[in-house]
Amino acid sequence: AQSVTQLGSHVSVSEGALVLLRCNYSSSVPPYLFWYVQYPNQGLQLLLKYTTGATLVKGINGFEAEFKKSETSFHLTKPSAHMSDAAEYFCAVSGDNTDKLIFGTGTRLQVFP
Amino acid sequence: DSGVTQTPKHLITATGQRVTLRCSPRSGDLSVYWYQQSLDQGLQFLIQYYNGEERAKGNILERFSAQQFPDLHSELNLSSLELGDSALYFCASSVGPPASPVFFGPGTRLTVL
Repeated sequence: AQSVTQLGSHVSVSEGALVLLRCNYSSSVPPYLFWYVQYPNQGLQLLLKYTTGATLVKGINGFEAEFKKSETSFHLTKPSAHMSDAAEYFCAVSGDNTDKLIFGTGTRLQVFP
Repeated sequence: DSGVTQTPKHLITATGQRVTLRCSPRSGDLSVYWYQQSLDQGLQFLIQYYNGEERAKGNILERFSAQQFPDLHSELNLSSLELGDSALYFCASSVGPPASPVFFGPGTRLTVL
């Protein structure tokens, strides 16, 4: 069985500040991990993914995430927040050879000027 | 634009009715997934089809059914609708497992009155 826990349903940062969104996973098989972003009234857009290989993954819009197996974590970071980053972010896990995604409950990111 | 199309964009219907949601995957993608997003349940995986065959099943009610046609488009049928079925229904597609990125459509917002 697989599951994802996103710590913090709401995160607020100032423009230019570091963004850190936390994700911990549980998986009985080697996990594939994903971050998606959802802007209001839109679908989900893939930010980045980890499958195998390099544990530091770079994505779109300046985001990156690091897979830490020992901590079962896949936290999302961005060095400097922009107003346009305000959205809901979802961490997801798969890995059972179906590619079905199990999502966390999401974190709403607010960026203040 | 992810390349996944969904129709209709909005659907308003009454309890007890039946509706059909339609999805066209990205060109070349063989897998289609259906997800339900609601405030109380979050993002829930419903069902996956791969090249016309059911591949994985999630939290899909017996009143719901889906299929994938030879041209790879998919339909999700929801019957005996209840107020609690009101949600955003997403279709997503991928080339196929394992570990391929999953791309989401814009969703169909279903309102049951």
